[in-house]
Amino acid sequence: DQQVKQNSPSLSVQEGRISILNCDYTNSMFDYFLWYKKYPAEGPTFLISISSIKDKNEDGRFTVFLNKSAKHLSLHIVPSQPGDSAVYFCAATSSNNLFFGTGTRLTVIP
Amino acid sequence: DTGVSQDPRHKITKRGQNVTFRCDPISEHNRLYWYRQTLGQGPEFLTYFQNEAQLEKSRLLSDRFSAERPKGSFSTLEIQRTEQGDSAMYLCASSLAVRLAGGHGELFFGEGSRLTVL
Repeated sequence: DQQVKQNSPSLSVQEGRISILNCDYTNSMFDYFLWYKKYPAEGPTFLISISSIKDKNEDGRFTVFLNKSAKHLSLHIVPSQPGDSAVYFCAATSSNNLFFGTGTRLTVIP
Repeated sequence: DTGVSQDPRHKITKRGQNVTFRCDPISEHNRLYWYRQTLGQGPEFLTYFQNEAQLEKSRLLSDRFSAERPKGSFSTLEIQRTEQGDSAMYLCASSLAVRLAGGHGELFFGEGSRLTVL
C-alpha cells in the first residue's frame, strides 16, 4: 500500500529549463512534506520541505507547491543545472514515520 | 566530518548467517532511524530511537531483526538467519527531536550499508 506515489520514474530536461517533479499522496493525515535528493552511492539528502498550512515554499532555485485538495505536491527547479541530475524522493509524515515515494530520476542535459 | 556514518558499506553473506550493521549518528542528534531500501523503491521505515528508547517499530521488522542503541549514541541493526529477501540497502538517519509540523523534520542520512545475501 503505497501512500506516497511518484508516477514518473524518470525525467529529462535541458539545462536552463524548468524541471517539474510530481508527487501524489493518499493519506489526508499527512501534515508535513519533504523532498530528498539522492546521488549514486550516497544516502538521501534533504532538499526542501513544506507544512500543510502552506501552499508554497521557495528556497533559491527550488520551489515546492502543495495542493491539499488534490493531495498533490510538486517540486520546481529553475533553472535546471547538470549537477541537479539525481534521484528525487518525495516524503510525507503525520507523526514520526516518514513515508517515501519510489523516486524520480532527473537527468539535466547540458 | 560530523555526518552520519555507517559500517560496513557493503556486506555479502550466505543465507542463514547473521549480520550486524552499525550506525554513528550526528553527535548532537537524539533521534536515530533505520530504513531499508530495495531496488526501485523508496526508503521504508523500520524503526526509530529517541535517545536509548526504541519508540516505534514497523511490521517490516520481523523477529529476525533487532536494533539497539544502548547508550543513546551509536546503534546496531542485527539480522539473524538472513534470507535472500533481506538483500537491500540499510539506511540510518538521525535528527533532533525538534517539534515541527508533523514532528519529523529533517532527517540526515548516512551512505547506507548494502547487504547481499547469496
